[in-house]
Amino acid sequence: AQSVSQHNHHVILSEAASLELGCNYSYGGTVNLFWYVQYPGQHLQLLLKYFSGDPLVKGIKGFEAEFIKSKFSFNLRKPSVQWSDTAEYFCAVNAGGGGNKLTFGTGTQLKVEL
Amino acid sequence: GAVVSQHPSRVICKSGTSVKIECRSLDFQATTMFWYRQFPKQSLMLMATSNEGSKATYEQGVEKDKFLINHASLTLSTLTVTSAHPEDSSFYICSAPREDYGYTFGSGTRLTVV
Repeated sequence: AQSVSQHNHHVILSEAASLELGCNYSYGGTVNLFWYVQYPGQHLQLLLKYFSGDPLVKGIKGFEAEFIKSKFSFNLRKPSVQWSDTAEYFCAVNAGGGGNKLTFGTGTQLKVEL
Repeated sequence: GAVVSQHPSRVICKSGTSVKIECRSLDFQATTMFWYRQFPKQSLMLMATSNEGSKATYEQGVEKDKFLINHASLTLSTLTVTSAHPEDSSFYICSAPREDYGYTFGSGTRLTVV
């Protein structure tokens, strides 16, 4: 069975600081990887996804993530965070192929202070 | 595009009663719908997968008779929590897979059983 670990449960940063959220997964086969963001009171939104190809994926709002297969990792990064990035971030993985169930990490609550 | 509408957003019910949660795909046909449950400060846990016109597939440990799932049409999937108890209080989220967008999520239903 696949599993996902997010090591940072709560992160507090000042505006303009750089962000890196860790995500590691456990699954022996081909995987698709996702990062979702959940703003307070809103539904999950896709930040970015990796299916294949260039392991450095760029998403919306200046976020990017790098798939490192040898480390089973898919860390999320942003060079300079904004107050509006305050939200909860979820890493998720599914077995390769479309339409398969997603397994989520425990989430990271990010707070950006002015 | 690719919107899933979930209702109600919040519901409070008495112990022993049943509650129905609906998820509608507004601009696409959802042959599959995933139902998740999220406890406070925890990750989204998959409860079951519904497929249009067939029986739902439940994850290990999820009671089929308690969480009734119906997917009678390509645009509607429902989850009914039967004989609800306080321990069923949680945040329930539906999600439909879309190959081009990954997955689309409903806005969630906050269930409180008193």
